[in-house]
Amino acid sequence: NAGVTQTPKFQVLKTGQSMTLQCAQDMNHNSMYWYRQDPGMGLRLIYYSASEGTTDKGEVPNGYNVSRLNKREFSLRLESAAPSQTSVYFCASSEVVNSPLHFGNGTRLTVT
Amino acid sequence: EDQVTQSPEALRLQEGESSSLNCSYTVSGLRGLFWYRQDPGKGPEFLFTLYSAGEEKEKERLKATLTKKESFLHITAPKPEDSATYLCAVLPGGYQKVTFGTGTKLQVIP
Repeated sequence: NAGVTQTPKFQVLKTGQSMTLQCAQDMNHNSMYWYRQDPGMGLRLIYYSASEGTTDKGEVPNGYNVSRLNKREFSLRLESAAPSQTSVYFCASSEVVNSPLHFGNGTRLTVT
Repeated sequence: EDQVTQSPEALRLQEGESSSLNCSYTVSGLRGLFWYRQDPGKGPEFLFTLYSAGEEKEKERLKATLTKKESFLHITAPKPEDSATYLCAVLPGGYQKVTFGTGTKLQVIP
């Protein structure tokens, strides 16, 4: 039972490049989330998907897009990376919205 | 605006030295409060959910309590393996999502 799996683990981009962060969960959870974690700040919600077929903006959605591909998979896309997007990105899932979160181990992204 | 403040930012304990971490919050209509543990290079791991003032939850050396304005995570006789960052998150009323605190980094020295 892998839980929440994120790929890649590390990524370095140049300003203006694009990339997609992948996330998959095997717990049959309905809700999935993308967070970013920066030093001195709490985890901040970027986007979430309450259930398959729906997505909604979180606290810091600018510069990102998401796709809920199916019940298991939720991807995060950076269309034109900026240095301000240097962060650690966590995917999480939960049985339903606002129930306890299960996190992946993160993607460490550096934008130069 | 919903606010969550955790204190202290960092705490260093000798093995066996009990202490408490604090999570104070200002939210409109608390629906729940969560505690997570985060090890370096890993994602947070869920520990407890508390729903109402007076509620307590325990797991091994950890006990979480909740009042109307704050929550405490008590650590009894900690061991080095309890070293981690402990995160608090609150779920306000209405359609809001959880708000996370910045965490307390705990180091337990043998």
